[in-house]
Amino acid sequence: DAGVIQSPRHEVTEMGQEVTLRCKPISGHNSLFWYRQTMMRGLELLIYFNNNVPIDDSGMPEDRFSAKMPNASFSTLKIQPSEPRDSAVYFCASSYTASRIAKNIQYFGAGTRLSVL
Amino acid sequence: TQLLEQSPQFLSIQEGENLTVYCNSSSVFSSLQWYRQEPGEGPVLLVTVVTGGEVKKLKRLTFQFGDARKDSSLHITAAQPGDTGLYLCAGGRGSSNTGKLIFGQGTTLQVKP
Repeated sequence: DAGVIQSPRHEVTEMGQEVTLRCKPISGHNSLFWYRQTMMRGLELLIYFNNNVPIDDSGMPEDRFSAKMPNASFSTLKIQPSEPRDSAVYFCASSYTASRIAKNIQYFGAGTRLSVL
Repeated sequence: TQLLEQSPQFLSIQEGENLTVYCNSSSVFSSLQWYRQEPGEGPVLLVTVVTGGEVKKLKRLTFQFGDARKDSSLHITAAQPGDTGLYLCAGGRGSSNTGKLIFGQGTTLQVKP
């Protein structure tokens, strides 16, 4: 398996522009998580999906952030409009939670480094 | 609210030294995981502990889950430069069937040759 695939790896944009981050989870996994990582705040959970349904979006900073999971193999995180304070590394992770043994083990993508100028 | 506190936050040691990283909480977790993250990559799972008092060893790494399942420790013996990275502990709640984890803020380890 190729693992969790995120694109792009790096994104540089100007303040006010729309940014879309993409994630392909591991095939067969039924939970997907979006995180943001900064030096100051560490790894923060933004939103997570279970069976393509958003379960908890309380970590989404504000209305400028939105996430979708139209099917089991694809998810997007969109920021519109982007601001300099959104600069961070954004990670997507997936897990298989139908098995009690495998539950809670998350597999992370390599991340998207976002810089908003 | 930060439910998992890791200490120390930063650690710089010489090759061959031993070290311990702590992960503490006032909450009970059904499982506790340790991840390691290298620069430019995502976190990778090292170990999962699920039973209070459980000890697991992975080569030079020893992981322990507290008896009350509220804390954990990671001990590295004879650290090597290849151990350099960010170590994250993460707790799971058994009541959730969605796989959500609570992450600590991480411990950055630098092992100098």
